[in-house]
Amino acid sequence: EADIYQTPRYLVIGTGKKITLECSQTMGHDKMYWYQQDPGMELHLIHYSYGVNSTEKGDLSSESTVSRIRTEHFPLTLESARPSHTSQYLCASSIRRLAGTYNEQFFGPGTRLTVL
Amino acid sequence: KNQVEQSPQSLIILEGKNCTLQCNYTVSPFSNLRWYKQDTGRGPVSLTIMTFSENTKSNGRYTATLDADTKQSSLHITASQLSDSASYICVVSDRGSTLGRLYFGRGTQLTVWP
Repeated sequence: EADIYQTPRYLVIGTGKKITLECSQTMGHDKMYWYQQDPGMELHLIHYSYGVNSTEKGDLSSESTVSRIRTEHFPLTLESARPSHTSQYLCASSIRRLAGTYNEQFFGPGTRLTVL
Repeated sequence: KNQVEQSPQSLIILEGKNCTLQCNYTVSPFSNLRWYKQDTGRGPVSLTIMTFSENTKSNGRYTATLDADTKQSSLHITASQLSDSASYICVVSDRGSTLGRLYFGRGTQLTVWP
């Protein structure tokens, strides 16, 4: 398995709370990603980063924000959690793609967020 | 619109039996296609990756095929085991961006019964 970690694994929190989901990787990968996945549905890209100080929004609009101050760390923050934010959040990382190589993404175990 | 469609949505088989999962895609320009296994409550783990020029690739009891002309792929699981129970996700990457964007199917939920 790849060396990418997410904490907490499970989080149950009340509406209006601020939360930060942690993601760290020890592979020195440049690119990192956050996906949102509801049960039985496909993964949707919500944020990505090409490297330090780079953050971009993904395909699915999200009220969350991210930061990339260090290569290995890509936390996701929700300023005010709502029940609609209940979902599984998956972090992934990949090495910079060189010509002729794959953009292999390695996924963390995910954080299951429930907002009451 | 780039899409990845998988079938069946769910499948139940007995331990020791074989099964085949299907994936159709419309992603263009095509770069590669991967099959991931996702255990409940875990992140996806890559099983196989195939480029345009590859039409079959094996990883133990898993064999993936790709027909780039018809834009179809299949994942064949041989001699299934209880530990094969998981969601199997087809993922297609495009060639048109530096991000190497991934397009995910919804997965086939496989349950293996003893």
